[in-house]
Amino acid sequence: EDQVTQSPEALRLQEGESSSLNCSYTVSGLRGLFWYRQDPGKGPEFLFTLYSAGEEKEKERLKATLTKKESFLHITAPKPEDSATYLCAWGRDDKIIFGKGTRLHILP
Amino acid sequence: DTGVSQNPRHKITKRGQNVTFRCDPISEHNRLYWYRQTLGQGPEFLTYFQNEAQLEKSRLLSDRFSAERPKGSFSTLEIQRTEQGDSAMYLCASSLLQNYGYTFGSGTRLTVV
Repeated sequence: EDQVTQSPEALRLQEGESSSLNCSYTVSGLRGLFWYRQDPGKGPEFLFTLYSAGEEKEKERLKATLTKKESFLHITAPKPEDSATYLCAWGRDDKIIFGKGTRLHILP
Repeated sequence: DTGVSQNPRHKITKRGQNVTFRCDPISEHNRLYWYRQTLGQGPEFLTYFQNEAQLEKSRLLSDRFSAERPKGSFSTLEIQRTEQGDSAMYLCASSLLQNYGYTFGSGTRLTVV
């Protein structure tokens, strides 16, 4: 059965403390691996799409990478405003399927 | 364009009542999606439209749920005879054809009491 698993479920970091979020997947015929950010009470906000192993995308303090089995979202020198739930998702047919997310909390 | 708009933002209803939510997508987007999200979970796919055609419905979408997108513009999601298990955030998203960069609305939070 196709699925993605995100780890850890929750992460607390001090401001400036870099870390990585993991998304491991077992999906046949992967049609894109996606990262979204979701703030409390709001809909997810699109961050990145990765299509092939070795691909990397960057946006401000965030960098997403993709291997054949997993994707990482690296957060460099995070700030309190980076606190959110980060969702990993994969494309199947004409829709995307989400993982459960990692709740990230950056302490000032 | 102000993005994807969903109304109402919050809805409290008694069990057994019918409710209807509305989604106004980004005007040039062909595709419109409905997802449901409960606390601590990622969004779950419910259904999607390409223009006015409903192309796929999840098995999560029981017979009590119906969605429409008349004229390929706004969409409505109706839940009949609501149950407590229907309490969730209902999210709408839109995208251009073949583009997975979905733009989500802020959702409608449904509470069934």
